[in-house]
Formats: sequence, structure tokens, C-alpha cells
Amino acid sequence: QKEVEQNSGPLSVPEGAIASLNCTYSDRGSQSFFWYRQYSGKSPELIMSIYSNGDKEDGRFTAQLNKASQYVSLLIRDSQPSDSATYLCAVKDTDKLIFGTGTRLQVFP
Amino acid sequence: ETGVTQTPRHLVMGMTNKKSLKCEQHLGHNAMYWYKQSAKKPLELMFVYSLEERVENNSVPSRFSPECPNSSHLFLHLHTLQPEDSALYLCASSQEHQNANTGELFFGEGSRLTVL
Repeated sequence: QKEVEQNSGPLSVPEGAIASLNCTYSDRGSQSFFWYRQYSGKSPELIMSIYSNGDKEDGRFTAQLNKASQYVSLLIRDSQPSDSATYLCAVKDTDKLIFGTGTRLQVFP
Repeated sequence: ETGVTQTPRHLVMGMTNKKSLKCEQHLGHNAMYWYKQSAKKPLELMFVYSLEERVENNSVPSRFSPECPNSSHLFLHLHTLQPEDSALYLCASSQEHQNANTGELFFGEGSRLTVL
């Protein structure tokens, strides 16, 4: 059973801090990795994708991938209260996505 | 607005009822999906339609029956459901390339189903 693991949280950070969200996956052959954000009562939306080892930056968001350690993370710099949401890690397995349970992030003023 | 519209947004049904969930995508995508989201559980893929042909079933109980009449519309027909089927049902679409799913899904707002 291929799995994607995330700490359910909540992860609480003060406004302006860096939020670090982590994800591990079981299938060493996985090649594509995604972060989705889901606000309470809303549907998931894709915010980052990463395919190669290293960092990928997009505005305040940085995705980090380490295939050797089977680890992918999402850093949010200068966290804002509007970043408070559940962040879902997803890993592509052949032709379908396997999702983690999500980490709930709370950014307090 | 993601370009994927689901109706109804909320549905309450008894175990003997028959109802349907509807999904429509306005993105010109060629693949559509049904996912189930329950509390404390990962998103579960139920069905995938690529070019209107079902390509994934994932051992979903037969009380859930999908229908994809064209690339823009997707239905989930529900009958004799159980209380444990109460969940948020999410429709999604994507553009497949060379028979491979990119992983970039666009989700609808979901249909919150309660089975009494």
C-alpha cells in the first residue's frame, strides 16, 4: 500500500514567521509531487508542484524535494493569517495521485 | 471559481433513496474524477474518466455508479447508501498529456452528502 504521511497538526505560527510543512512518501519510484491548499469548507487548490531534487520557489512559497530521503516539504515565508488552511501533500503514482491527510496550519496575528 | 461546478452542494438522503451528484467543467479538460473526502482520512480516488472512458474503479462499492456522457459532464448516481458513505464528494478535472495524468487537478466545491 503506497502511502503519503503528514502530521495532522495544527501547526501554529505567528504572523511573519516561516511555516514549515513536511511530507514523507513510501514509493521510492515516485517522480511528481504536489502541494494543495484547502481552506475550511472549500475545495483543494494546487499551489506548488515539484519534480526534481532541490528547491523550487514561487513567491512566498518554496517546495523542497529530497528523493533519497523520500521527503518533500513546503516552506511559507512571511506567513499571513490568510495562509491558515489545511495543506495536502500529493504524490503521483503511475497515473493517479495519492494524497496525505493534510496538515492544518494556523497563523495567528 | 475553479471552472468546475458541482450540484447539489448539500444532500441529505435516506438509505433507500436514489439520488445523483452532478459535475460540469468549463476548462476544456479531457479527464474527470470523483474523489471522496472523509474526516481524518486522505482524499480517496473513486473514479477516473479519460476521454469519456472509465479507466479507474478502485474497488468502489456498486452502490456508487458513475456516468460520463461527454468530456464536460460527470455524474455520480447513488442508491441504497450506508451512513458511512456520508462525506464530501469532490469532482475534479485535468488535462492529460500523452496518456499521463499531470497531477494538476482542478476541484469543484464539493457535494456534502449525509446519509441517514
